[in-house]
Amino acid sequence: DVKVTQSSRYLVKRTGEKVFLECVQDMDHENMFWYRQDPGLGLRLIYFSYDVKMKEKGDIPEGYSVSREKKERFSLILESASTNQTSMYLCASSPQGYGYTFGSGTRLTVV
Amino acid sequence: GEDVEQSLFLSVREGDSSVINCTYTDSSSTYLYWYKQEPGAGLQLLTYIFSNMDMKQDQRLTVLLNKKDKHLSLRIADTQTGDSAIYFCAESDNFNKFYFGSGTKLNVKP
Repeated sequence: DVKVTQSSRYLVKRTGEKVFLECVQDMDHENMFWYRQDPGLGLRLIYFSYDVKMKEKGDIPEGYSVSREKKERFSLILESASTNQTSMYLCASSPQGYGYTFGSGTRLTVV
Repeated sequence: GEDVEQSLFLSVREGDSSVINCTYTDSSSTYLYWYKQEPGAGLQLLTYIFSNMDMKQDQRLTVLLNKKDKHLSLRIADTQTGDSAIYFCAESDNFNKFYFGSGTKLNVKP
């Protein structure tokens, strides 16, 4: 089975901190994605990547950046965390032309 | 992004059929998907349908696609309490980018 592993299930950070959310997949997928999930808003795409060192902005990239130095790892960075970034963050990966496999999510609380 | 709409809640009795509906706007969608999210978990792919198909059946799940009306539905036969979850409809374009609906919370009453 494909595994998408997010390093933390729960995180609590302070306003202004730099936050790293890590995601690793073990099936050599080209595509990786970061979404945030908020009640009533569904999933919104933050950033995605089709290849190593390649990144594209999604629908809500403001306040975030990403890094993909290796094919299996896609990191989401909150440069200066704010309370409105409290959310569930979901990472996903996919090979070309197939559905996503999601990680189990990281619930981030910014206080 | 593209618009994918779902109703927010559905409540059914155990043993009944559930029908979850979804509408989308992108006529160039290649694939349409249904995902299930159980409490505290990530999303799990349930089933998908190619845009040139009208129907797909997989055990208790039936997916119907009306491409003319851009309407997708998921029918769960003999709904069980373990089916209680949030169900997301999603569409993808040719670049593998997905657009998700807001999710339908299915509540199954014993």
